[in-house]
Amino acid sequence: EAQVTQNPRYLITVTGKKLTVTCSQNMNHEYMSWYRQDPGLGLRQIYYSMNVEVTDKGDVPEGYKVSRKEKRNFPLILESPSPNQTSLYFCASTSMRAAGETQYFGPGTRLLVL
Amino acid sequence: GQNIDQPTEMTATEGAIVQINCTYQTSGFNGLFWYQQHAGEAPTFLSYNVLDGLEEKGRFSSFLSRSKGYSYLLLKELQMKDSASYLCALNNNDMRFGAGTRLTVKP
Repeated sequence: EAQVTQNPRYLITVTGKKLTVTCSQNMNHEYMSWYRQDPGLGLRQIYYSMNVEVTDKGDVPEGYKVSRKEKRNFPLILESPSPNQTSLYFCASTSMRAAGETQYFGPGTRLLVL
Repeated sequence: GQNIDQPTEMTATEGAIVQINCTYQTSGFNGLFWYQQHAGEAPTFLSYNVLDGLEEKGRFSSFLSRSKGYSYLLLKELQMKDSASYLCALNNNDMRFGAGTRLTVKP
């Protein structure tokens, strides 16, 4: 089954404690990205990657890091989380080879930073 | 910039047709996506328009006019389960979303 998985699904942490949210896809997609979704602001792209070892900033990259060492994985790292990073996070992947290929979203990670 | 505007909320009746508009200001992009998102869930893909014109997929159709900076999603034969938010997004390698339109379908 084609899917994007994220872990953890829910996380409560404290300011400054480094955390990583993992994202994995099983469709051999080149393009992966991370979004955050906040009430009234919609989905905003944090980072995206068009292939292994290639990452680019999205609309709101400050306070986040990513890496793309393997095609299937695209972890999101918060080195020093702050309360304004409390949000719902989605990972997504799509194939770049076929224009219009479906973009699959993971189930989301709800993060609360105290 | 790529301001992407959608109406915040819409209401329609079961069985009816509704058109959700999306307008944008940008000089160029690869294509435009439409997604459906139920409350508390991940977005799901509905359509992707690269060329101008109408693309039909069952009860859902999407239209794009690049020259007018305009797209719409057309939902026919509305069902209660179509109550959700509908998001349009521009793909220019990066992805930029509108804030979404919350559609309520009433009996």
